[in-house]
Formats: sequence, C-alpha cells, structure tokens
Amino acid sequence: GQQVMQIPQYQHVQEGEDFTTYCNSSTTLSNIQWYKQRPGGHPVFLIQLVKSGEVKKQKRLTFQFGEAKKNSSLHITATQTTDVGTYFCAGAQAAGNKLTFGGGTRVLVKP
Amino acid sequence: NAGVMQNPRHLVRRRGQEARLRCSPMKGHSHVYWYRQLPEEGLKFMVYLQKENIIDESGMPKERFSAEFPKEGPSILRIQQVVRGDSAAYFCASSPSQGTSNSPLHFGNGTRLTVT
Repeated sequence: GQQVMQIPQYQHVQEGEDFTTYCNSSTTLSNIQWYKQRPGGHPVFLIQLVKSGEVKKQKRLTFQFGEAKKNSSLHITATQTTDVGTYFCAGAQAAGNKLTFGGGTRVLVKP
Repeated sequence: NAGVMQNPRHLVRRRGQEARLRCSPMKGHSHVYWYRQLPEEGLKFMVYLQKENIIDESGMPKERFSAEFPKEGPSILRIQQVVRGDSAAYFCASSPSQGTSNSPLHFGNGTRLTVT
C-alpha cells in the first residue's frame, strides 16, 4: 500500500534559524496537504498543493510539490517559538481517496 | 460555526470494557474519517464513512472495532473488550461532499482513551 515518509522525525532549531522538512511518497500523488499539530492539540490544515512543481508561501513558510508529484518540502525561515509543533504531510493517490499521513516532523525551538 | 465536535475528550476504561467515541462533523460536511494516533507517532487511518455507508475501512482492525455514521446523529467509533494497546488519541475529521482530493480535513479535538 501507499507509504508516506517524513524526515527528519525530530528537528531542534535555534530561534531565528531556517530549516526544511521533507516528505516522500512511495506512489505518485494527486495532491499533498500539510498540517500542523501543536503539543496536546489536533492537526490543523495549513495548505494543499496540486500541481507538479507548485510552490506556495504562507508568511515564513514555503511549501513545494515535486515535479514527479512524489515528494514535497516545507521550509521555515527565521524560526519562532510559535513554530513549535509537529508538521505532517498527507497525500492522496487519486481523487476522493483517503489521505495517508506521514509520521510527522517534531519541531522544537531553542530560544 | 461549530467545528468538528468529539466527545468525550478523555475516556478511561478497564480492560474488557467497551469504549464509545462520538464525532459530529462540521455543519454541511457529510464525510467522516477516523484516525488513531499513538504518542510521538503519526496519524493512522482507520475508517472513512458517509451517511449510513462505510466507504473504506481498510485501516480498522478486523476484531473488536466498528464504526457507524447513521442518518441522524453523530458518527460512533466502538471498541469492544478494550486492551491496553488500544490506549491512544482517536481523532475524527470531516470534509465536504467532494472528498479529500479538493478539500482539507477539519479535525476534532480528539478523544484520548486510556485503558487501565
């Protein structure tokens, strides 16, 4: 079955630094979504990418969908303490199929 | 604009008891998904339902677990004869009728099940 892997599993970042987390699927995706879960909270939708090579920005967050639609990345610039949480990517193989979540990248920010 | 409502937030059961988790989707959403999350792990798909229909239950254990989404009322995830390994956070999510390819999932606050 479809597998979605995320690396790294943990990311310790100094406040103000940049970092990137990566998402890789074993199969081609129709779309990829990113979610953020704060400690003790529930996943909250951030963004969806649909087109090959698509890049979207949300303030300090930049999301990219690979040309082959099998991988994605999230880059955060000038990390802040509010960025703490787990970032999940989730992919669907075809329209209407269930979303398969990656294992998440747990981000800890050192002030 | 109520979001996805799950109850209870916390549920403690002894081994062998039944656990019932409830989920009311967002207004206007007819698709419900249940995910399970162990501490420090990702979200594992369990089941996808529409009103009165189970669309995909490929992530549900074959025994002790069942789910329903009746015509009236919330979706229910039922775990019979709970064991310690069932301890986890169970999240419900809903989406509008067009399905996951065009719609994000809206998650509830989850039910944290502890089996003693």
